[in-house]
Amino acid sequence: AQTVTQSQPEMSVQEAETVTLSCTYDTSESDYYLFWYKQPPSRQMILVIRQEAYKQQNATENRFSVNFQKAAKSFSLKISDSQLGDAAMYFCASSNAGGTSYGKLTFGQGTILTVHP
Amino acid sequence: DGGITQSPKYLFRKEGQNVTLSCEQNLNHDAMYWYRQDPGQGLRLIYYSQIVNDFQKGDIAEGYSVSREKKESFPLTVTSAQKNPTAFYLCASSRAPTVMNTEAFFGQGTRLTVV
Repeated sequence: AQTVTQSQPEMSVQEAETVTLSCTYDTSESDYYLFWYKQPPSRQMILVIRQEAYKQQNATENRFSVNFQKAAKSFSLKISDSQLGDAAMYFCASSNAGGTSYGKLTFGQGTILTVHP
Repeated sequence: DGGITQSPKYLFRKEGQNVTLSCEQNLNHDAMYWYRQDPGQGLRLIYYSQIVNDFQKGDIAEGYSVSREKKESFPLTVTSAQKNPTAFYLCASSRAPTVMNTEAFFGQGTRLTVV
């Protein structure tokens, strides 16, 4: 079974500054995916960034990047040049890469990010 | 536009009643999922289906039932056996697994309240 832990219930950042959200995970699978999802007040889940476990290079999407430490089972999200629209609940999630359980997401508890103008 | 539609957005149920939440997708995705979201607990998997006429229990299936008669539809029934059904319910779908197609798309959710 997979587990995902987000140890920061709440974080805050000043507009235009950088913030890092932490996530650790545990899995017995050798091939898996890791995700960060954003849930704004509308409650629509939006994929922010995705990392394939077999790739050593950290994923980046514009202002969003991850620090993937496979041996430490750590997957943190860095948001650069924070904007007011980044304010949301952020969920870290994992998924097996294939087999009968593909696509099933295991979520962390979430981190509420507040952005101050 | 392609996407996932959940209805209704808000649903009220009396104790002891069954209620069905609708989830429809036009993304031609093979797999569909139901998650429950409670405050402070993230999302937990209720049921999932990878092909038509087949579905599997997730982590918290007790008190829920599903069907998958069509590829596009995956309704969730919250039965009277579910002890604490008040929650936010999210439906999702995804393609069969390939290296590139690992993203799950979510509907906008249904807020169920027991009154």
